[in-house]
Amino acid sequence: SYELTQPPSVSVSPGQTARITCSGDALPKQYAYWYQQKPGQAPVLVIYKDSERPSGIPERFSGSSSGTTVTLTISGVQAEDEADYYCQSADSSGTSRFGGGTKLTVL
Amino acid sequence: EVQLVESGGGLVQPGGSLRLSCAASGFTFSSYWMSWVRQAPGKGLEWVANIKQDGSEKYYVDSVKGRFTISRDNAKNSLYLQMNSLRAEDTAVYYCARALSGYAAYYYYYMDVWGKGTTVTVSS
Repeated sequence: SYELTQPPSVSVSPGQTARITCSGDALPKQYAYWYQQKPGQAPVLVIYKDSERPSGIPERFSGSSSGTTVTLTISGVQAEDEADYYCQSADSSGTSRFGGGTKLTVL
Repeated sequence: EVQLVESGGGLVQPGGSLRLSCAASGFTFSSYWMSWVRQAPGKGLEWVANIKQDGSEKYYVDSVKGRFTISRDNAKNSLYLQMNSLRAEDTAVYYCARALSGYAAYYYYYMDVWGKGTTVTVSS
């Protein structure tokens, strides 16, 4: 199996752009998904299939993929975006995996 | 309203067993893959197990193979996780999640609806 690697923390000021990366050797052949988790709450899907946004997720959330790295971008960060963010991938063998998570701090 | 509600968590001694349940409502349960995902205290998310719509395919993370069994009852709109030979490292919040799976450019599998979780503590 392989791992998904995320930076432990990212900090941005309100209104700026936050970029959270997730790296993994299999990502060129797999989709990535992103989840937001606030303290004491269940995760929420914010991006699926690398760059698709579920209904109800603000447009400031976007995703992209390039080679072995996928990126979650939050444009115009708001205080309410402060949370932990996890990437996830899955392969056709039936197994899934999560990255270690990134704590986004809004300064 | 689409909803998943987990139950069955609690305190159990090492080596003991516990059965988690997840009650689904607001969607056609039998049409979806389902997953269990856990989160140890202060740690990240860990995928535990998946089950296909009809229960014919089941997949597990290596650390629980042979100890945990995922199952479902589509007539009762319910998902289960039977946990045996529990260890301290199984202590976590266990989330039930609805999943979407298939093929587009690549295989896809992701969780679009999550329950609030149930807490399992393994300790003597």
